[in-house]
Amino acid sequence: GAGVSQSPSNKVTEKGKDVELRCDPISGHTALYWYRQSLGQGLEFLIYFQGNSAPDKSGLPSDRFSAERTGGSVSTLTIQRTQQEDSAVYLCASSFRLRDRGDTEAFFGQGTRLTVV
Amino acid sequence: RKEVEQDPGPFNVPEGATVAFNCTYSNSASQSFFWYRQDCRKEPKLLMSVYSSGNEDGRFTAQLNRASQYISLLIRDSKLSDSATYLCVVNTYTGGFKTIFGAGTRLFVKA
Repeated sequence: GAGVSQSPSNKVTEKGKDVELRCDPISGHTALYWYRQSLGQGLEFLIYFQGNSAPDKSGLPSDRFSAERTGGSVSTLTIQRTQQEDSAVYLCASSFRLRDRGDTEAFFGQGTRLTVV
Repeated sequence: RKEVEQDPGPFNVPEGATVAFNCTYSNSASQSFFWYRQDCRKEPKLLMSVYSSGNEDGRFTAQLNRASQYISLLIRDSKLSDSATYLCVVNTYTGGFKTIFGAGTRLFVKA
């Protein structure tokens, strides 16, 4: 497709289980972001991938969270031993790097709504 | 101090009102700036880019003040459909370019 695709759109999991969230960015976009948004709250930065550079993991809230980006395209966000406070919408975005000018506008996927029960 | 700060609001205005949002950023090396709009339970979408010379798109005007490190968004003749959260976005060099989102300002336009 032409846009950022995320799957699943909704995920309900039991506390303590691991979950994997997938993001398929726009083809050709070198930058990929994961954000988390709790109900009524702003975006919380989690992790940033740019090309082949080491990812910026400074936003990951704990070592239960990890993310990979294979082949510079699809990304998977993994949450191990989920807790109820992990319940949120997880948004992925991608953008294109303009040389020496930073990234262009970010396009978002529709998000994965994670509910930990 | 947060890298990008916005007044969370909410702003409650009547239809037809003019409303202004401000956003400040801490890194003077920031390169580019945007305003995004996020409707309830939807993903954020680009509203407009912010240029040094200022730019206008219909009822919306965005301005950048690099010296004071803030950007603004002005909405004239507010419509009910303008009700949303407005996110200030800054591309900043912090050892590598990164897009940083403000927490957003909520706007409610009432009839």
